Amino acid sequence: AQKITQTQPGMFVQEKEAVTLDCTYDTSDQSYGLFWYKQPSSGEMIFLIYQGSYDEQNATEGRYSLNFQKARKSANLVISASQLGDSAMYFCAMREGTVADTDKLIFGTGTRLQVFP
Amino acid sequence: DAGITQSPRHKVTETGTPVTLRCHQTENHRYMYWYRQDPGHGLRLIHYSYGVKDTDKGEVSDGYSVSRSKTEDFLLTLESATSSQTSVYFCATGTGNQPQHFGDGTRLSIL
Repeated sequence: AQKITQTQPGMFVQEKEAVTLDCTYDTSDQSYGLFWYKQPSSGEMIFLIYQGSYDEQNATEGRYSLNFQKARKSANLVISASQLGDSAMYFCAMREGTVADTDKLIFGTGTRLQVFP
Repeated sequence: DAGITQSPRHKVTETGTPVTLRCHQTENHRYMYWYRQDPGHGLRLIHYSYGVKDTDKGEVSDGYSVSRSKTEDFLLTLESATSSQTSVYFCATGTGNQPQHFGDGTRLSIL
C-alpha cells in the first residue's frame, strides 16, 4: 500500500538558516508524483512544489527545493534562508495510482516548523 | 485564488443530526475531493468525484455520502453526525497532473 512518512513532528530553525524537512514514501508504482504543501496557522493549504517520478532534475521554486532520491524513496523539502513567515505545518503528499486523472493524494502526518529570530 | 468556496466555515451541531457541507468551484475542474484533517493523521480522503454524478469512496468514507449534480458543486453529507466526525474538512479540486488546490476548510464540531 502506498504510504507517506514524515518522521519529524517538529523542527526549529533560526532565521536565515536553511532547513530540511524529511519525507519518505512507499509505492510500487513506477509513475507517481510528490507534493509539498504548507499550512500556516490560519489553516489554508498552500501548494509549494511538485516532483514527478520521471523528472531527472530536482524541483525548485524560489527558496524551496525538493531533494528527490528515487532509490531511497525520499523527497525532502529544503527551505533556504528561512523567514519568520515560514513557521507553519508542512505536509508531504503523493499522488496515488498510475492513472493521473484520479489525482488522489495520500498525505503524511506533517512537520511543524518554527522559525526563530 | 483557486476559486474554491466552502460553506459553512464553522459549524457546531449535536450528535445524531444531519450535516451538509458545500464546496463550490469556479474553475470548471473535473475532479473534486473531500478530505478531513485530524491531529496525527494529516489529511485523509473521504470521497472524490471525477465528473457530474460520478463519485467514489476514499480512505475514510464510512458515515459520509457525497453528491455532485453540477460541475461546480460537491456536497458532503453526514447523515447522522457522531463525535468522531468532529474535524476540519477540506475540499479540493484537481485536473490531471496539476497540484490540487484547496478551499479554506470547514471546522465542524459535533457535541
